Amino acid sequence: DAGVIQSPRHEVTEMGQEVTLRCKPISGHDYLFWYRQTMMRGLELLIYFNNNVPIDDSGMPEDRFSAKMPNASFSTLKIQPSEPRDSAVYFCASSLVPGNYGYTFGSGTRLTVV
Amino acid sequence: AQTVTQSQPEMSVQEAETVTLSCTYDTSESDYYLFWYKQPPSRQMILVIRQEAYKQQNATENRFSVNFQKAAKSFSLKISDSQLGDAAMYFCAYSTDKLIFGTGTRLQVFP
Repeated sequence: DAGVIQSPRHEVTEMGQEVTLRCKPISGHDYLFWYRQTMMRGLELLIYFNNNVPIDDSGMPEDRFSAKMPNASFSTLKIQPSEPRDSAVYFCASSLVPGNYGYTFGSGTRLTVV
Repeated sequence: AQTVTQSQPEMSVQEAETVTLSCTYDTSESDYYLFWYKQPPSRQMILVIRQEAYKQQNATENRFSVNFQKAAKSFSLKISDSQLGDAAMYFCAYSTDKLIFGTGTRLQVFP
């Protein structure tokens, strides 16, 4: 298996633009997580899905952020409109059974909003 | 709410020596999992070691071992025979369903 695949690896966009980050989890993993990593706040959980259904989105910072999982092999995290404070590394992770089998992370997307 | 605390922002160790990274957590749950993840400059999150709370035996993975003290809610990571490639950020994490991270410890390894 190729692991968790995220794209793009780097994204630079102008303030106010829409940004879409993509994630393909490991096949068979029923759980998918989106994290954001910044120097100030560390690794924060934004949202997670179980069987394509959002379970906990309490970490989504505001309405400008939205996440979808239309099928078991694809998820998106969208920011519209983007702001400079959204600059961070965004990680996607997937798990077969959280805790019991651990979590596999993608390589992350480094987002820079100028 | 569950929290994870890593009180050592930075640690350093000489190559071939042993270093221990500290982690404490707070939870009211009795069944949970604890992890240590390594993040090198490549930013990839790499699982180092995992511990089930219901197991009393401390987990070990080659040069990496943990000291799990459930009553004290402590979960430290010991790295033996440190190597230059061990230099990275190390994150302690707690999980029941979602993974909650500490703030990390930056480990430097000197030759």
